[in-house]
Parts: sequence; C-alpha cells; structure tokens
Amino acid sequence: GENVEQHPSTLSVQEGDSAVIKCTYSDSASNYFPWYKQELGKGPQLIIDIRSNVGEKKDQRIAVTLNKTAKHFSLHITETQPEDSAVYFCAACLSGNTPLVFGKGTRLSVIA
Amino acid sequence: GAVVSQHPSRVICKSGTSVKIECRSLDFQATTMFWYRQFPKQSLMLMATSNEGSKATYEQGVEKDKFLINHASLTLSTLTVTSAHPEDSSFYICSARVAARTDTQYFGPGTRLTVL
Repeated sequence: GENVEQHPSTLSVQEGDSAVIKCTYSDSASNYFPWYKQELGKGPQLIIDIRSNVGEKKDQRIAVTLNKTAKHFSLHITETQPEDSAVYFCAACLSGNTPLVFGKGTRLSVIA
Repeated sequence: GAVVSQHPSRVICKSGTSVKIECRSLDFQATTMFWYRQFPKQSLMLMATSNEGSKATYEQGVEKDKFLINHASLTLSTLTVTSAHPEDSSFYICSARVAARTDTQYFGPGTRLTVL
C-alpha cells in the first residue's frame, strides 16, 4: 500500500521568510496530493491540492509542486506570517474511493 | 470549500458508557465519509470508511463492535464508541468526500473524547 514520508517534523522560520515542506510517496499509481493545515484543537483544513496531470499549482502565498518521476511533492509558503503557525499534513491517494494516506505532519512556527 | 460539522465538540464520560458522535455534511452530499482518531502530536489514523447505505469498512486493528459506524443518509454519519474506556480518550475527526468529485476530502472540526 501507499506510504507517505514527510520532512521536516518541525520547522521554525522568521516572519516574512519562506517555508518548504517536502513529502515522498511510494505508490506510483497515486494521483491526488492534498495539503492540510491543522491548528491546535481543530480539524484539518484543506489549503491546496494537486493532481498528477500538473506539476505546479499556486494560490496566493501557497504553492505546491509535484515531481511524479521522483515521487515527491512539496508545499511552499512565501512571506510567512505568525498565523501560518500550525501543523501541516501532506497526503496521497489514488483518485476514486481510496482513503488518503497522511504524512506524520510538520509543526511550523513562524517567529515574529 | 464544503462544510462538515461534528457534534459534540467535546464530551466527557465515565468508563463503561457509550458515546455517539455525529458528522454532517452541511452543503453537499457525501457518498463516502471517513472516521479518524488522532492522539496528541501524532498524525491522523484512519479508523473506517463509511459509504451511504452500506456497512463500514474498518482498518486493521480497529474493533468494529466497539466503534459502531452508521451512514444512514448522504449527509450524516455517526460513530458510537461503545463501553468506552480511558484508552479510548482521543480526538475523533470525520471527513467527507464530495460526491461529484471523489477525491477532494473535507474534515470536520473534531470531537475531543475524554473517558474518566
């Protein structure tokens, strides 16, 4: 089955700097890769996703890149703000009715 | 994005009692809902997949007689923790897939269960 590895587990950046979180997946058949942001005591919030027919997707300060050959995808947050501080999870699945497989999460701290 | 609600947000119960958690998709129909549990500082662990009108599919190691799941309609799934024990204390989160787009998955706000 699918296995998703996520790095780093913790990340501290200065406000205004960029943050990059990387994930690798094992199943080459996976074709859907969402990213979730989870604040303390809340459910995960979908922030961006990418499908395997594109290599990059951007939404304001957030971008995701996908390298299908290498089986890795990354989340990029530019101009970080304190409110970006949260735990971020990557996930992967084969589009359809298969469950998402999550990475272990990255705790991002943005220092003002 | 689509909205998923959960009720209650927090519940404290005595050991041996049963607790029901509701998950609702508020503005879309969800043919498939998922139940996760999450321990502090850990990732989400899938417990079961619930399809409307059929029996839930449980992940390995999850006791189906202890965690009863019902998905009676396209907007409601329930998780009942039967005979709860302190080790069942956790953060339970549901998610739902929008029927028309079968990969995008939205999560509820979670339910914090504490068993005394």
